[in-house]
Amino acid sequence: GAVVSQHPSRVICKSGTSVKIECRSLDFQATTMFWYRQFPKQSLMLMATSNEGSKATYEQGVEKDKFLINHASLTLSTLTVTSAHPEDSSFYICSATVSGGENIQYFGAGTRLSVL
Amino acid sequence: GQQVMQIPQYQHVQEGEDFTTYCNSSTTLSNIQWYKQRPGGHPVFLIQLVKSGEVKKQKRLTFQFGEAKKNSSLHITATQTTDVGTYFCAENAGGTSYGKLTFGQGTILTVHP
Repeated sequence: GAVVSQHPSRVICKSGTSVKIECRSLDFQATTMFWYRQFPKQSLMLMATSNEGSKATYEQGVEKDKFLINHASLTLSTLTVTSAHPEDSSFYICSATVSGGENIQYFGAGTRLSVL
Repeated sequence: GQQVMQIPQYQHVQEGEDFTTYCNSSTTLSNIQWYKQRPGGHPVFLIQLVKSGEVKKQKRLTFQFGEAKKNSSLHITATQTTDVGTYFCAENAGGTSYGKLTFGQGTILTVHP
């Protein structure tokens, strides 16, 4: 149980385009999902906390207009990187906690974004 | 905000040797979680420690939480090549930040056969 699916696993796009990444909890409901960014051989940097039915909470320094988060249901959160630029190239990972469950995060497989 | 310092950043061992990674905080931690991320993969939850002085074991892995709840360690006995990956500690802040994790920098473990 507690499987999180993240799609796509890899995307290559041109500078200026927008990219949408989906994060789904397959066998549980997730009131809260999290979006991280990870650079090679570095730790996970929390970008925002996604709450079902309300606005996301962004960490300091993360542009909310650039990284749009939507959490429309208890099983789906999306991250849209708007007008992507090469510096946005990174590994993006989502995670989810089971609603009413233990405070453990279950991670998606991640999305490697390359902006040309 | 709360920072969790993790050392060492890298550790290279021969298969069969032991390995330990440490997490330290200047303030009391509410709890500590440990995750493993295989190369090219995503973090996978290993364990959560909550009580002062707590020790938990998973086969060759031993997890400890300090008496003052300011440090934690993960020890692997007789490493195997399957242990390769990055090990992260993370604090779960709780309260209004329920679920939000603060990750340590991670320790990258390489095991030479």
